[in-house]
Amino acid sequence: ETGVTQTPRHLVMGMTNKKSLKCEQHLGHNAMYWYKQSAKKPLELMFVYSLEERVENNSVPSRFSPECPNSSHLFLHLHTLQPEDSALYLCASSQGVWRGSNQPQHFGDGTRLSIL
Amino acid sequence: GIQVEQSPPDLILQEGANSTLRCNFSDSVNNLQWFHQNPWGQLINLFYIPSGTKQNGRLSATTVATERYSLLYISSSQTTDSGVYFCAVERGTSYGKLTFGQGTILTVHP
Repeated sequence: ETGVTQTPRHLVMGMTNKKSLKCEQHLGHNAMYWYKQSAKKPLELMFVYSLEERVENNSVPSRFSPECPNSSHLFLHLHTLQPEDSALYLCASSQGVWRGSNQPQHFGDGTRLSIL
Repeated sequence: GIQVEQSPPDLILQEGANSTLRCNFSDSVNNLQWFHQNPWGQLINLFYIPSGTKQNGRLSATTVATERYSLLYISSSQTTDSGVYFCAVERGTSYGKLTFGQGTILTVHP
């Protein structure tokens, strides 16, 4: 139990569907992250939220839309995805994300997404 | 951006053997973490070690920040140690941006 819970664990969707990934952290952290892990590639940071404000958008296509309603919850809304978006999507949280904050990140178990 | 290189890319061990995994990075960092990703995709924190040495059971890690490398030691390996080991670093000028290496795929045979 890492204190970061992601749902669903698996998701299969068509390219025209709209779905959302959910992440919840129970660690009292105030920063949350979305990462993407494609086959045979290192994890790539997608978005960073600090105190519910987005502080980093790593050139992610607009078909991925993050939402952070409070410091404990993070969503990733998906629409009109492409087959190459099939990947493992990981959420993480940490205590603080200001420059030089020096805080470790804790990861959820991920959502394995398959686009048909 | 910062470059992170891990070696070796693949490692096959017999149960009980010891091993050393290496992580080199191209710039100064204020955060370095080692993770183990199991076959189910779960990413488990092993160490938060921007500098110095830490030990946790059969695992230990050392980061020499001035020389820009970190080592992960696994002693008396077990089959449950199999998986992918990632090193990830964060620069002091970034906003929580962890950059991951390509990982070392470890297979431990009984």
